[in-house]
Parts: sequence; structure tokens; C-alpha cells
Amino acid sequence: EPEVTQTPSHQVTQMGQEVILRCVPISNHLYFYWYRQILGQKVEFLVSFYNNEISEKSEIFDDQFSVERPDGSNFTLKIRSTKLEDSAMYFCASADDTYQPQHFGDGTRLSIL
Amino acid sequence: AQSVTQPDIHITVSEGASLELRCNYSYGATPYLFWYVQSPGQGLQLLLKYFSGDTLVQGIKGFEAEFKRSQSSFNLRKPSVHWSDAAEYFCAVVSYGGSQGNLIFGKGTKLSVKP
Repeated sequence: EPEVTQTPSHQVTQMGQEVILRCVPISNHLYFYWYRQILGQKVEFLVSFYNNEISEKSEIFDDQFSVERPDGSNFTLKIRSTKLEDSAMYFCASADDTYQPQHFGDGTRLSIL
Repeated sequence: AQSVTQPDIHITVSEGASLELRCNYSYGATPYLFWYVQSPGQGLQLLLKYFSGDTLVQGIKGFEAEFKRSQSSFNLRKPSVHWSDAAEYFCAVVSYGGSQGNLIFGKGTKLSVKP
């Protein structure tokens, strides 16, 4: 069964540095999402992406964050000038329609020191 | 605003016992509802979904869920729990605040299974 893959599985970064989290969605999917889960808290929506542009974003997704689909397969989340509170598990998801189930990757655990 | 409530943070059941995990949602119209499971260190795996039609939906791994509009609930059930079911379970609803299918999750219920 096709899967969403995320790299790296764990990223450790110094506060203030930039990080790029990478995702390869399922190949025929058109809708892409990023969520995050701070330790012990619920999964929160960050941003959705369709047709090479952001469709929606939450209030969490401020100017520090950006997303890109640099080629036909990758979907990236960039976090500029990381803060301690950015430490979380970040999940990428994809779907072939807006109301079809989203398929999630295994996540990238981001640790900011 | 839409929300999903999972009132039980942690549940422990004995292997072979039945299980029911509770989920309540707030939304005016018929929601699109999901249950996901997260094993330690893993991503979110879809267990089942409800879009419309039959209110009792079957999922993978022997799970089922029943949509009850009158109670705004979508509880997850399994008749006989296996040790491998120990994980965290998340109920989610598609957000109608926008149009791109963003999910709103509950806080999750951690399931422990004792031998």
C-alpha cells in the first residue's frame, strides 16, 4: 500500500536555526497537509496545500513557517529562526480529495535546544 | 467553533475484554468523522471513517464505531481487545471552517492492555 514518507525521523537543531522537514506524499494525491503534536497534547492543523499554493492555514502558521512543493514529489515545511516551543512531532498527510481520509507519515520529531 | 472531545485520557482493559472509547463532537450538520490510532513512535493510522449512510461502520483490526446524531457521539468499540491494541486513539472531524478538509482532533485516549 502506498505510504507517506517523512525525513528525517528526528531532527535536533539549535534555537534560532532554520529547519526543513521533508515529506513525500502518496503519488496520486492532490491535497497536502502539515500537522504538529506537541508532547502530551493533541494533533493540531498547521496548513493545507493544493494546486501549488496554500489553501488554508491555522493561527499557528505564522511568518516563521513556509511550505513548498519544489518538485513533483516532495512537500516541505520550513521553519525559520526556530524557538524552543517549536519542539514537537510534525506530521505530513495527503489525500486525493478534501473529504477523503488523510494518510499520515510517521512524523519528524523536532527538538530545539 | 467545532471541537472534538475525548473524555477519557487513559483507559486500561484486560486482554480479551471489550472496549469502548468515547468521542463527542460539536458541529451543526452531519460531520465527517474518523478514528486514527497512533502506536508509540509511529504515525497516525486510519481505523475507520463515517461520511454518511449506515451509522455503524466497520474498520480495520476488528474495530467498529457508531455514529449517534442525537448524542453527537462517535464511539469506537472492539469486542475483544488484544495486547497489540495498546496505543493512543484519536477521534477527528473534518473542519468546515474552511474547505480543504483540515482535521480537528480530540486530545486522544491512551489505551493500556493488561494480560
